[in-house]
Amino acid sequence: DGGITQSPKYLFRKEGQNVTLSCEQNLNHDAMYWYRQDPGQGLRLIYYSQIVNDFQKGDIAEGYSVSREKKESFPLTVTSAQKNPTAFYLCASSIGGSRGETQYFGPGTRLLVL
Amino acid sequence: GENVEQHPSTLSVQEGDSAVIKCTYSDSASNYFPWYKQELGKGPQLIIDIRSNVGEKKDQRIAVTLNKTAKHFSLHITETQPEDSAVYFCAAISLGGYQKVTFGIGTKLQVIP
Repeated sequence: DGGITQSPKYLFRKEGQNVTLSCEQNLNHDAMYWYRQDPGQGLRLIYYSQIVNDFQKGDIAEGYSVSREKKESFPLTVTSAQKNPTAFYLCASSIGGSRGETQYFGPGTRLLVL
Repeated sequence: GENVEQHPSTLSVQEGDSAVIKCTYSDSASNYFPWYKQELGKGPQLIIDIRSNVGEKKDQRIAVTLNKTAKHFSLHITETQPEDSAVYFCAAISLGGYQKVTFGIGTKLQVIP
């Protein structure tokens, strides 16, 4: 069963704590993305990776970090520097490169601050 | 950069009626336009897409039209059903190199039984 998985579904963060959101895909896609979704603001790009061991900042990268050590995995860390982390986080992947178009999304992780 | 405007932000229709959601884009280099449906608490799912060399595309009750000259594209849902209730997002993508995706703000569609 191919697709994108995200875990956990819900995540709680204490003040000053770093938390990591998992994203795994078995679609053999080169490109992966992280978006943040807030009510009334649509989707905003945090980070993206076009290939293993490479990633670039998106529009709202401050307070976040990523790694891309494996093609299948693109974890997102929400650091303590992110002062307003409460949001719905979506991971996506696409074939990648100039021939890649459609992005396929995971089910999302909702992050809440305690 | 690209700017995508989507309207209306909310839309209520009676079951069986049609629903139309419109998006405009600013970058003439954009050449791929997907539409996503997002149900509450879930990730967006692709429902239909259109490329700049095509003016219209249909898939059962869903259709998308594209007017490149005016830089707008629309989603049409006919014979709406309660399960069509969701948030719909349009997007504009410029292919070639890194595909920059710009999403619309979303339209919350409510189909009233």
